[in-house]
Amino acid sequence: GAGVSQSPSNKVTEKGKDVELRCDPISGHTALYWYRQRLGQGLEFLIYFQGNSAPDKSGLPSDRFSAERTGESVSTLTIQRTQQEDSAVYLCASSFGGRDQPQHFGDGTRLSIL
Amino acid sequence: GEDVEQSLFLSVREGDSSVINCTYTDSSSTYLYWYKQEPGAGLQLLTYIFSNMDMKQDQRLTVLLNKKDKHLSLRIADTQTGDSAIYFCAERHNQGGKLIFGQGTELSVKP
Repeated sequence: GAGVSQSPSNKVTEKGKDVELRCDPISGHTALYWYRQRLGQGLEFLIYFQGNSAPDKSGLPSDRFSAERTGESVSTLTIQRTQQEDSAVYLCASSFGGRDQPQHFGDGTRLSIL
Repeated sequence: GEDVEQSLFLSVREGDSSVINCTYTDSSSTYLYWYKQEPGAGLQLLTYIFSNMDMKQDQRLTVLLNKKDKHLSLRIADTQTGDSAIYFCAERHNQGGKLIFGQGTELSVKP
């Protein structure tokens, strides 16, 4: 009965480096979401995967951001050439596929760009 | 456009009721959610309401929805110090699955 698992929990890196953030959704959940939470703010949608459909990438802030998902399992969010404004908590959520299914969140990855 | 707004802070005394308010703009929203976030943690789903309902009760929590005014509230009865956290209101976008979040209301419960 594991929940959504994210790794690493904290990541500190230098400006200009690439980072990869990982999300393991709840088993059986076909939908997976990435959000970003800047300090003191609400969550901003980044990207959404649903089964084998094309992902909804409408929230990705720039072409430095990309995400992949293997089938209905693990997803990786990649940020290339990190900038200081990328510092935030990156949260992953998963759900069953129906519209009435609530999203369950992981504890997030706290990313700090020096 | 899509926008969800909440007041930023609420302070109550232990044992009192707390009411956290939220307004949204997307009239096509199907589901509205309340999440709780404790320091350093992710978001915990508290409750949610479908847009054809006007009230939902779950133990100490009562959600009221006024579709005409696009206003959602969360009432916590007998508030405890363990309820101190940030509470987020979110609406589910009608196209696709993304949630649109408010900025969160920080609830402080004083003994």
